[in-house]
Amino acid sequence: AQSVSQHNHHVILSEAASLELGCNYSYGGTVNLFWYVQYPGQHLQLLLKYFSGDPLVKGIKGFEAEFIKSKFSFNLRKPSVQWSDTAEYFCAVNANTGNQFYFGTGTSLTVIP
Amino acid sequence: DAGITQSPRHKVTETGTPVTLRCHQTENHRYMYWYRQDPGHGLRLIHYSYGVKDTDKGEVSDGYSVSRSKTEDFLLTLESATSSQTSVYFCAIRGTQGNTIYFGEGSWLTVV
Repeated sequence: AQSVSQHNHHVILSEAASLELGCNYSYGGTVNLFWYVQYPGQHLQLLLKYFSGDPLVKGIKGFEAEFIKSKFSFNLRKPSVQWSDTAEYFCAVNANTGNQFYFGTGTSLTVIP
Repeated sequence: DAGITQSPRHKVTETGTPVTLRCHQTENHRYMYWYRQDPGHGLRLIHYSYGVKDTDKGEVSDGYSVSRSKTEDFLLTLESATSSQTSVYFCAIRGTQGNTIYFGEGSWLTVV
């Protein structure tokens, strides 16, 4: 089975600071990778996804993520965060031939105006 | 919007009672999932379905059963609710364009 590790449990940043959230997965085969965002009291929404091709993927709201296969990593980045980015962020992995999607424990981001 | 409706959205129930949560989708997706979300644990898969009457267990299936008698509905039943099953339950569908899942609004369940 696959597993996902998110090392940052809680991150606090000031507006305009740069963001990088770590995500590592364990699975030796081909994977699909995802970042989801959950605003307070809401459901999870897809931020971005990687299936194949260019390892640098861009998502909504200025977020991007880089897949580094050799490090089994898929870190999320944003050059300049806004107060409205305050939310919980989840990394997820799905084996290319599998039916299950595995999620990390999430990173809570608080952006201070 | 993935066309997913969960009901009830909020429920308080007593320990030992059975509870059924419903997930309804309108877009004929084959795969449907039930997750629970708990602080410090993220989302954990309870059960999923890959077609009518075809279901499989996830990583935290004990104490839960599911049924899918028609494509649009995926039911999650807590056979005898316990306080440890107090959680937020999310239904998800697997989109037709690639391996991506999309979530419903969630059902907040409190077992007292």
